[in-house]
Amino acid sequence: DAGVIQSPRHEVTEMGQEVTLRCKPISGHDYLFWYRQTMMRGLELLIYFNNNVPIDDSGMPEDRFSAKMPNASFSTLKIQPSEPRDSAVYFCASSFGSEKQYFGPGTRLTVT
Amino acid sequence: RKEVEQDPGPFNVPEGATVAFNCTYSNSASQSFFWYRQDCRKEPKLLMSVYSSGNEDGRFTAQLNRASQYISLLIRDSKLSDSATYLCVVKRTGGYQKVTFGIGTKLQVIP
Repeated sequence: DAGVIQSPRHEVTEMGQEVTLRCKPISGHDYLFWYRQTMMRGLELLIYFNNNVPIDDSGMPEDRFSAKMPNASFSTLKIQPSEPRDSAVYFCASSFGSEKQYFGPGTRLTVT
Repeated sequence: RKEVEQDPGPFNVPEGATVAFNCTYSNSASQSFFWYRQDCRKEPKLLMSVYSSGNEDGRFTAQLNRASQYISLLIRDSKLSDSATYLCVVKRTGGYQKVTFGIGTKLQVIP
């Protein structure tokens, strides 16, 4: 059974460019979470969806960040324009009923 | 004060030792508690939930102290494969669920 799938696994981009991260949750899960992890701040919840509807986006750092979930099997996190301080590992996770979360392998983003 | 606080370590312990980590949380409305494990450059994975009465899974024991607002993880007979970062997770409800991860405690088990 496939776990949470994220793409790309690595992304290197220049400051000012648009970055789109993608996530496919586990089939049947009704919650989807986007996290960002850095050495300094640890794992931070950015936004989460329930049944494709954004529930809490209070962790989104600023307007440059946006997330969508057009259907139950796909979500995107977009950064436009990107900045060097956005460099981090971005994880997507999904769960059934908001308990145990299953994480994807992450996207390692470097903005130069 | 951070909502969830952990000592980042590292904790360097010899094989076979017993090691314990604590995690404190600030919001008394917190409802559910978990320990996740994260290997280097990998994603976090659920290690165990933490129940009010305490629970054990093999060499791992988790405990919750609501009065003092902390949870603990005890690892007995440490193995080299236990080397990882252990993340404390606190969830509270009240309208929307709110999940907060601690920064993690790094454990290095040495031969």
